[in-house]
Amino acid sequence: DAGVIQSPRHEVTEMGQEVTLRCKPISGHDYLFWYRQTMMRGLELLIYFNNNVPIDDSGMPEDRFSAKMPNASFSTLKIQPSEPRDSAVYFCASSRNRGRLGEQYFGPGTRLTVT
Amino acid sequence: AQTVTQSQPEMSVQEAETVTLSCTYDTSESNYYLFWYKQPPSRQMILVIRQEAYKQQNATENRFSVNFQKAAKSFSLKISDSQLGDTAMYFCAFITDSGAGSYQLTFGKGTKLSVIP
Repeated sequence: DAGVIQSPRHEVTEMGQEVTLRCKPISGHDYLFWYRQTMMRGLELLIYFNNNVPIDDSGMPEDRFSAKMPNASFSTLKIQPSEPRDSAVYFCASSRNRGRLGEQYFGPGTRLTVT
Repeated sequence: AQTVTQSQPEMSVQEAETVTLSCTYDTSESNYYLFWYKQPPSRQMILVIRQEAYKQQNATENRFSVNFQKAAKSFSLKISDSQLGDTAMYFCAFITDSGAGSYQLTFGKGTKLSVIP
């Protein structure tokens, strides 16, 4: 199994630009999570999906952030317009059904820098 | 509110020695699961060990074991025979199983462990 795949690994963009982060979960996993990690705030859950349906987006910081999961093998996190305070590492993680509650498999992350 | 507290921001240990990382948590739920995740310098988070709250027996995974004290709401991680590859940030986390459908892991702030040759 290839594990959770994220792209790009690094993204540098200017303030005001649109940024799209991509994630491919592990095949057969029906939960997908988007996290943001910063030194100040630690690891924050932004949104998670179950069977491609968003379940809890209460962690999404504001309307500039949106996430989609059009099918079981692909999800995007979009920031439009981006701001310097969005600079962070964004992780995608996936998980099997509730039988292994809490066991999440993380991707390598995307380091986003907004200048 | 559910919280996880890791009181040791940084720790170090000599190679081949044993080290214990502390974690306390707070929840009003009775069914929950506890985890330790590792984040090496490569930054990819990796699950180290899992403990079901209803089990009295402490979980072990090779050189990693936990000391789970349910009444004290304490969940420490012991690493035996420390290796250079154990150098990483370690995050304590838990998830409740209230049946309400929430599937959110609560993470601590992390402990940075350095293994010294």
